[in-house]
Amino acid sequence: KAGVTQTPRYLIKTRGQQVTLSCSPISGHRSVSWYQQTPGQGLQFLFEYFSETQRNKGNFPGRFSGRQFSNSRSEMNVSTLELGDSALYLCASSLGGEDYNTEAFFGQGTRLTVV
Amino acid sequence: AQKVTQAQTEISVVEKEDVTLDCVYETRDTTYYLFWYKQPPSGELVFLIRRNSFDEQNEISGRYSWNFQKSTSSFNFTITASQVVDSAVYFCALRDSNYQLIWGAGTKLIIKP
Repeated sequence: KAGVTQTPRYLIKTRGQQVTLSCSPISGHRSVSWYQQTPGQGLQFLFEYFSETQRNKGNFPGRFSGRQFSNSRSEMNVSTLELGDSALYLCASSLGGEDYNTEAFFGQGTRLTVV
Repeated sequence: AQKVTQAQTEISVVEKEDVTLDCVYETRDTTYYLFWYKQPPSGELVFLIRRNSFDEQNEISGRYSWNFQKSTSSFNFTITASQVVDSAVYFCALRDSNYQLIWGAGTKLIIKP
């Protein structure tokens, strides 16, 4: 079974630009969550999608958005990039549903550098 | 509010020593789940264990063991006879009815040969 695939692995963008990151979950998984990891703030929850609907959202500004497609693939978008958006962005895939006990499986992440 | 505390920022031991990573959590929910993940230098978070709030049995998997105690809101992780390959950052996380994972700050474990 293929794991969680995130593309691209590395990105360098300029302040003010926008960026789109992609995540393909494990086949059969309907929930996709996104996390930002920085040395200063650690791992922080961005949002979670289940069956194309955003089910939960973390405390990030509106510049951070996401969506999920009917095949469960997900994208997140960051507009008007700031230097502080430089981070490792991790996508997690899980079975989802009302049961929130299932483990999440993570991709290798996209390392975004804003210059 | 939910919170996970990993007080040990970094631990360094010599190979073959036993090491325990501490995790303390806070939640108001009666049903919740606790997780441990390992993050090697490659960056991918690797799932290690899940424990639900109704199951306080300790678990052992090879050299790894976990001690869950609701009375102290702790879910500690012990590696017996550590190996260099165990070097990584280890995260404890909590998931309750909000679905999202709440993470501890992580403990960097260094195993010296």
